[in-house]
Amino acid sequence: ETGVTQSPTHLIKTRGQQVTLRCSSQSGHNTVSWYQQALGQGPQFIFQYYREEENGRGNFPPRFSGLQFPNYSSELNVNALELDDSALYLCASSPRGDPGNTIYFGEGSWLTVV
Amino acid sequence: DAKTTQPPSMDCAEGRAANLPCNHSTISGNEYVYWYRQIHSQGPQYIIHGLKNNETNEMASLIITEDRKSSTLILPHATLRDTAVYYCIVSGIQGAQKLVFGQGTRLTINP
Repeated sequence: ETGVTQSPTHLIKTRGQQVTLRCSSQSGHNTVSWYQQALGQGPQFIFQYYREEENGRGNFPPRFSGLQFPNYSSELNVNALELDDSALYLCASSPRGDPGNTIYFGEGSWLTVV
Repeated sequence: DAKTTQPPSMDCAEGRAANLPCNHSTISGNEYVYWYRQIHSQGPQYIIHGLKNNETNEMASLIITEDRKSSTLILPHATLRDTAVYYCIVSGIQGAQKLVFGQGTRLTINP
């Protein structure tokens, strides 16, 4: 039990639609990161939020966007869904954004795009 | 980001120590070594991390060589529940606390 909770756990969307995934970070953690994990692959870093500001981004197009709220919970939004967006989306939280902190993952949200 | 190299798969007998190697020869002086594992369809589980010194917790021990170019994760008494994919990661120090996952080592614990 990591204290990082994600919702929904599973969802199915149609190509072209938009999706919002949610994450509640562990209590006291002000840094949240999002990862995409395609089947058979390791997780890939999408972006990180620290105190409501995006402070790092991986190689993902602008249709992947996010928010972090004052309580440090976070949302991942994906617009214009494509079939290749089908994946497990993971949220991770840590106490601070600097190196050396323990980073805890949630159980993820499975997104299927049809 | 420093790249890591791990064997794609390993086997270990239940009750024995599992030693998982990782090569990270391009690691920078302030980059940390993290280990996670992932059981099918679940989120990655944090195991341990370290900078220079060896580390031990209730799950495992992390041995980092003096030159920091490689490390070994040790599960002292492997159980069937330790069967998973184990990822060795070097965490970047520039800006975001990004974890770059490779393909990992698929560890199978045999009865």
